[in-house]
Amino acid sequence: DSGVTQTPKHLITATGQRVTLRCSPRSGDLSVYWYQQSLDQGLQFLIQYYNGEERAKGNILERFSAQQFPDLHSELNLSSLELGDSALYFCASTPGSPNTGELFFGEGSRLTVL
Amino acid sequence: TQLLEQSPQFLSIQEGENLTVYCNSSSVFSSLQWYRQEPGEGPVLLVTVVTGGEVKKLKRLTFQFGDARKDSSLHITAAQPGDTGLYLCAGPGSARQLTFGSGTQLTVLP
Repeated sequence: DSGVTQTPKHLITATGQRVTLRCSPRSGDLSVYWYQQSLDQGLQFLIQYYNGEERAKGNILERFSAQQFPDLHSELNLSSLELGDSALYFCASTPGSPNTGELFFGEGSRLTVL
Repeated sequence: TQLLEQSPQFLSIQEGENLTVYCNSSSVFSSLQWYRQEPGEGPVLLVTVVTGGEVKKLKRLTFQFGDARKDSSLHITAAQPGDTGLYLCAGPGSARQLTFGSGTQLTVLP
C-alpha cells in the first residue's frame, strides 16, 4: 500500500460526458502528479500540483483540467470524453517539488468510454 | 524531448530461466529508475541508478547503468512467476518530471 488513494477504481461512461477522478496523496506529501496510461502511449505525464499551485504541465488535453485543494487532495476533470480517452489514470505523490526521486503511485482509476 | 525506449516489449519465459531487459536513450540522464507494475496496481520503485557504470543488486535482480548514462539494463536470474509484471524505466525529462519508457511486459510461466 503506497498510501495514495484514488477513487473511483473503475468508471464506465459515454462519449461526450464529463467525469471527475479523485486522489488523496500520502500523508505529508505536498506534490500530486497525474499520469495517463494507455496501451499505445504508455505512461504519460499530464500535470503536477504542489501545495495547491500548478507546477508543471505535460501532455494534457485542453478538455482535461485538474486542481489541488487546501487539504491537498486533487481532482482530475475530464470533459467531452472521446473513445480515445479510455485509459488508466494514475495519481502519484511526493514530499516536495520538483521531483526526480521516487514517485508513490495510487492503484489507478480505469476509465472506459463507450 | 528525452525518450526512453525499452526492449523487448513482451517477454514470456519459463520459471528458472534468466532474462535481460533494456532501456535505451539517445540522451544522457542524470539518473534512471526502474519500476515494476503488477495488474491492478500502480508502478512501484525497484531501484535508482545514478552513476555511470553503476551496478545494483536486489536479490535476483541486477540493474546496470551504462557508462555514458544513456542506457540501463535489468537482469533477472532464475525468474519466478512472482516476477511477472510490467517493468518500466524512468528518467528526468522536460520540466524535470519523470519520463517513462513504454515498458517490458514480462510473463514467467510456472
